[in-house]
Amino acid sequence: QQQVKQSPQSLIVQKGGISIINCAYENTAFDYFPWYQQFPGKGPALLIAIRPDVSEKKEGRFTISFNKSAKQFSLHIMDSQPGDSATYFCAGGSGGSYIPTFGRGTSLIVHP
Amino acid sequence: KAGVTQTPRYLIKTRGQQVTLSCSPISGHRSVSWYQQTPGQGLQFLFEYFSETQRNKGNFPGRFSGRQFSNSRSEMNVSTLELGDSALYLCASSPGQSTSGYTFGSGTRLTVV
Repeated sequence: QQQVKQSPQSLIVQKGGISIINCAYENTAFDYFPWYQQFPGKGPALLIAIRPDVSEKKEGRFTISFNKSAKQFSLHIMDSQPGDSATYFCAGGSGGSYIPTFGRGTSLIVHP
Repeated sequence: KAGVTQTPRYLIKTRGQQVTLSCSPISGHRSVSWYQQTPGQGLQFLFEYFSETQRNKGNFPGRFSGRQFSNSRSEMNVSTLELGDSALYLCASSPGQSTSGYTFGSGTRLTVV
């Protein structure tokens, strides 16, 4: 499977700050880019997703920014809260592939 | 709508034994995938089943196997357990025609002693 490179591996942010996680992909056939949020002891849950026909998608405090020409996308968490502390996975997927290609994950800690 | 159900939630086995984990997908989902997750290693893909056939396979030894039944429920088996097999095993289901709708279960925590 083609890689999705995710950075940083870990991130510490103060409450109220902005958390930014970046991903880069190789496979130009990807047409679906989800982000998953995983709390300890739980499975990853879909947080937000974007398709490449838009450059930004916002849902509450969570925003995906997408740069098709650079093959990069990022997750911004505004006004970060301690409850946002979790591991975040980005992924790329396409109709020709039945399994998303996941990044290695980012462990986010938000200090009160 | 019920989510993806994995049983059991926790399991402790002895090295050398074998183990079977179960996954019931969301109703109507025909694809079930299995992942191994260990600290710092992300989501390691094991295999995917669609309509009772293994459609994709990751890079794991033959000790790891799976199957899918006609009702789309899936089982994963690990034989001759090793200490390094201790991990959270996740399954995910999807309708099977694309990567949208990919939904994970809560996982089975396997500890090998």
